[in-house]
Amino acid sequence: GAGVSQTPSNKVTEKGKYVELRCDPISGHTALYWYRQSLGQGPEFLIYFQGTGAADDSGLPNDRFFAVRPEGSVSTLKIQRTERGDSAVYLCASSLTGGPGTEAFFGQGTRLTVV
Amino acid sequence: DQQVKQNSPSLSVQEGRISILNCDYTNSMFDYFLWYKKYPAEGPTFLISISSIKDKNEDGRFTVFLNKSAKHLSLHIVPSQPGDSAVYFCAASKGSGNTGKLIFGQGTTLQVKP
Repeated sequence: GAGVSQTPSNKVTEKGKYVELRCDPISGHTALYWYRQSLGQGPEFLIYFQGTGAADDSGLPNDRFFAVRPEGSVSTLKIQRTERGDSAVYLCASSLTGGPGTEAFFGQGTRLTVV
Repeated sequence: DQQVKQNSPSLSVQEGRISILNCDYTNSMFDYFLWYKKYPAEGPTFLISISSIKDKNEDGRFTVFLNKSAKHLSLHIVPSQPGDSAVYFCAASKGSGNTGKLIFGQGTTLQVKP
């Protein structure tokens, strides 16, 4: 596809359930980022992949959050035992190589609501 | 600890006038600054950037100014158009081993009135 694609667009889940959020980056982009945006705030960094490896996962809030990118393309953000505080828009971005000055392209986000 | 701050949650300007959006940062290790624009139900889209070795970068109607001594940057849009109405995020990235990870401000909602 032409841009970064995220599925689903919206996800409603019950507290305590497990969810997976998918990101399809732009083809050929080696760098992939996940961010989380709460209401009224800017996006907050979660994790950065360079190829298949998580080069920086310092933004993951706790061990309920995990992300993978097994083939260096599609990435899945996994949240276990969801809590109401996890409700937010989860944004994925990709860039050609990562690093400063390389433009990051964002997907439209997945709005997660935990009830 | 908010390293990038946009202290004005909203701004309203008349079409044709200048819009000035401001951003302050605290970390002197930041070496690259970007502005993103976001429409409802869409992801942020890149607008313009500036390296810390410069103090100005211009692209059409958009100009970003960087004042390193004040740790302040601003985005000027002139002339403003109704289609510019959106949320604007300031973002910064830093230092050696710069991975492109971005630290965002809270955003400023710009409304341009026809």
